[in-house]
Amino acid sequence: DVKVTQSSRYLVKRTGEKVFLECVQDMDHENMFWYRQDPGLGLRLIYFSYDVKMKEKGDIPEGYSVSREKKERFSLILESASTNQTSMYLCASRSSQDPKETQYFGPGTRLLVL
Amino acid sequence: GDSVTQMEGPVTLSEEAFLTINCTYTATGYPSLFWYVQYPGEGLQLLLKATKADDKGSNKGFEATYRKETTSFHLEKGSVQVSDSAVYFCALKPSASKIIFGSGTRLSIRP
Repeated sequence: DVKVTQSSRYLVKRTGEKVFLECVQDMDHENMFWYRQDPGLGLRLIYFSYDVKMKEKGDIPEGYSVSREKKERFSLILESASTNQTSMYLCASRSSQDPKETQYFGPGTRLLVL
Repeated sequence: GDSVTQMEGPVTLSEEAFLTINCTYTATGYPSLFWYVQYPGEGLQLLLKATKADDKGSNKGFEATYRKETTSFHLEKGSVQVSDSAVYFCALKPSASKIIFGSGTRLSIRP
């Protein structure tokens, strides 16, 4: 089974803090994604990565950056957290060779910025 | 641009009722279409998919048919169970990388 893990289930941070959200997958997937999930808005893509050291902006990259130094790990960074970044953050991975195009999701990190 | 619209929730049904969750899309070309499900406290899981017009995706008693003429991919199940209570997301994949998700529909099933 594919396993996608996220470093924290719940996180509370203060405005202005630098926040790191970590995601690790164990299936050697090339593609990894970061979404945020907000009520009534569904999932919105923040950043994605095709492969190691590669990254592309999604639909809402402002206020975020990412790092993909190793294939199994994709980090989301909030340089200076703000209250409007309070949300559920979901990481996903996918094999570029999978004909079913399935994305596998982690359990999510619920971030509260005070 | 490409988008997905799904019916607002929450949807509350009694056990063994018939379920329909509507989903329509806007896209150029021929996107793949998906339904994902999110059970309480968990991440999203792929429920079913269809890649071309008139394809029917099915899984766990759920079905959805890719209707190009109506640009729809409605999710149906003949007899729902309490364990089907979850949030359901319709999604489309217009390009090689991105998936666009709908806003989600929360389904609650009463015993």
